[in-house]
Amino acid sequence: NAGVTQTPKFRVLKTGQSMTLLCAQDMNHEYMYWYRQDPGMGLRLIHYSVGEGTTAKGEVPDGYNVSRLKKQNFLLGLESAAPSQTSVYFCASSQHSYEQYFGPGTRLTVT
Amino acid sequence: AQSVTQLDSQVPVFEEAPVELRCNYSSSVSVYLFWYVQYPNQGLQLLLKYLSGSTLVKGINGFEAEFNKSQTSFHLRKPSVHISDTAEYFCAVSEGGSARQLTFGSGTQLTVLP
Repeated sequence: NAGVTQTPKFRVLKTGQSMTLLCAQDMNHEYMYWYRQDPGMGLRLIHYSVGEGTTAKGEVPDGYNVSRLKKQNFLLGLESAAPSQTSVYFCASSQHSYEQYFGPGTRLTVT
Repeated sequence: AQSVTQLDSQVPVFEEAPVELRCNYSSSVSVYLFWYVQYPNQGLQLLLKYLSGSTLVKGINGFEAEFNKSQTSFHLRKPSVHISDTAEYFCAVSEGGSARQLTFGSGTQLTVLP
């Protein structure tokens, strides 16, 4: 039981490049979330999903897209990376108890 | 809309001393409250949660928190800290709803000094 895993752990992009972050969970959770963490700002919700095939915008969705084609996977895409997207990205999942389980994070640097 | 304020960004404390990390929230409806801990270069781990019932909630690693509805607070306490408690602590609130979204505070860095 791996819980929530994230791929990759680190990535450096040049401005304008694209990439996809993968989140996978093996707990059969319905809900999945993508956050970004910046110093002094806590975690801010980018996008979330309440079930397979559904996605919705969070607090800071601009510049990001997501897909949830399979229940266990939640993908976060950056179509044209900008330096403002340099951050640590966390994925989380939950079921009905409101408790969210977090992955180890992806550290992204955009130069 | 809900919001969370963690009043102290950094809290240094000596080993074996008590500590309190403060959290206040703003919401117009009933809420669920959480404290998460983040050790360096790791994800967040749940310390404790308040969903309903007793306002004093006990969590892992000897931490506890008290929900005070009149003061809209959910302060985290530990009577005696260890070096290993050094980490960043986040308070979070959820208003429930179909998405079960969490709103996080900005975090408090607890540093335990020898």
